[in-house]
Amino acid sequence: QVQLVQSGAEVKKPGASVKVSCRASGYTFIRYYMHWVRQAPGQGLEWMGIINPSGGSPTYAQRFQGRVTMTRDTSTSTVYMELSSLRSDDTAVYYCARAGTSVDYWGQGTLVTVSS
Amino acid sequence: DIQMTQSPSSLSASVGDRVTIVCRASQGISSWLAWYQQKPEKAPKSLIYAASNLQSGVPSRFSGSGSGTDFTLTITSLQPEDFATYYCQQYYTYPYTFGQGTKLEIK
Repeated sequence: QVQLVQSGAEVKKPGASVKVSCRASGYTFIRYYMHWVRQAPGQGLEWMGIINPSGGSPTYAQRFQGRVTMTRDTSTSTVYMELSSLRSDDTAVYYCARAGTSVDYWGQGTLVTVSS
Repeated sequence: DIQMTQSPSSLSASVGDRVTIVCRASQGISSWLAWYQQKPEKAPKSLIYAASNLQSGVPSRFSGSGSGTDFTLTITSLQPEDFATYYCQQYYTYPYTFGQGTKLEIK
């Protein structure tokens, strides 16, 4: 069965960076793009970008351009999302989500807390 | 960016009711529209893709319709487990924007 398992919760100080991982299993990793979506406390869903695990440049939402980097490691079927210059309003749950029929599978989420 | 607007923002209903949630896009998106369900402290669950196609395992009481700019999610015969927040998302063009969500509560 398809599984997306994300790394654990993080606490970071303002200005720092965070790198969240998402390990995929149960399907051929390179055949499906992967989204990253975040959700601030009590707020809605926000699309951050998408990466093609088989290669090519990721596509990022404009508001994260210059701060976000999405990468992948095909040897471990893992995608990564790194967000830099963290601010308090980056506190959120970050999800990876497989781009099957739109999004079909979601990771469990990773809480990133930005606090001094 | 394409703006997605859902209505209502919240909705109270009873078990057994039929409810409809509307999602409107700021420009035409053909049928590139998905619906998701999210319960508190849980990851979203994918319900519908391409406006009207149920994801595998989703009960048939859920249905979607629409194309272009206007879309609906209908739940017939509400069950206790259906009380949640629902989001639409367009995947016609980047960035793939979401609606603000509709919270479905028990009356």
